[in-house]
Amino acid sequence: QSALTQPPSASGSPGQSVTISCTGTSSDVGGYNYVSWYQQHPGKAPKLMIYEVSKRPSGVPDRFSGSKSGNTASLTVSGLQAEDEADYYCSSYAGSNNLGVFGTGTKVTVL
Amino acid sequence: QVQLVQSGAEVKKPGASVKVSCKASGYTFTSYDINWVRQATGQGLEWMGWMNPNSGNTGYAQKFQGRVTMTRNTSISTAYMELSSLRSEDTAVYYCARGPHTAMRYWGQGTLVTVSS
Repeated sequence: QSALTQPPSASGSPGQSVTISCTGTSSDVGGYNYVSWYQQHPGKAPKLMIYEVSKRPSGVPDRFSGSKSGNTASLTVSGLQAEDEADYYCSSYAGSNNLGVFGTGTKVTVL
Repeated sequence: QVQLVQSGAEVKKPGASVKVSCKASGYTFTSYDINWVRQATGQGLEWMGWMNPNSGNTGYAQKFQGRVTMTRNTSISTAYMELSSLRSEDTAVYYCARGPHTAMRYWGQGTLVTVSS
């Protein structure tokens, strides 16, 4: 189980969009539609933003959207707001006894 | 409302074990897996494993196999994570989260475990 690969940082101005990638293998991201995304502000517990590739839990703004192509999943934040500045982590089902794996994390900065 | 309340911070010496608890409320404890995730200071999230509170079945990340044990006491809706043979690299905040691990919507507040001689 190697960590999924994310870019260390991403940024955008208020109102713009930012997209974060999450690259795995056919044994995790590419093999299952079980990719989730978490937002984490400093000193806080992570918050679920997207699950099963593109589903949003109730209460999560529709500015957050997810997709997947092959072994790479993506999170797009549209209409960036100051409160979107945080660390974002992807996670995937990794098969064999219901194992999971996180991505390396991406720090999103709102310029 | 769903709540996961974890035990307090711990300081342990290298080679010792630590047991962190996670008390669930606001839902039927046996209906959802409990996962454990850790985060070293300034580092990313690391998934450690899951436990089914109904059956007691578990699944551990390969990195922690042989060192971690996840258990539960259904009578008090509490899950436990015990990590043995502690080393300095195990210093981290440990979180419990209600599963499945593919959609962990509810998280505990985190427990800081410090390993230091």
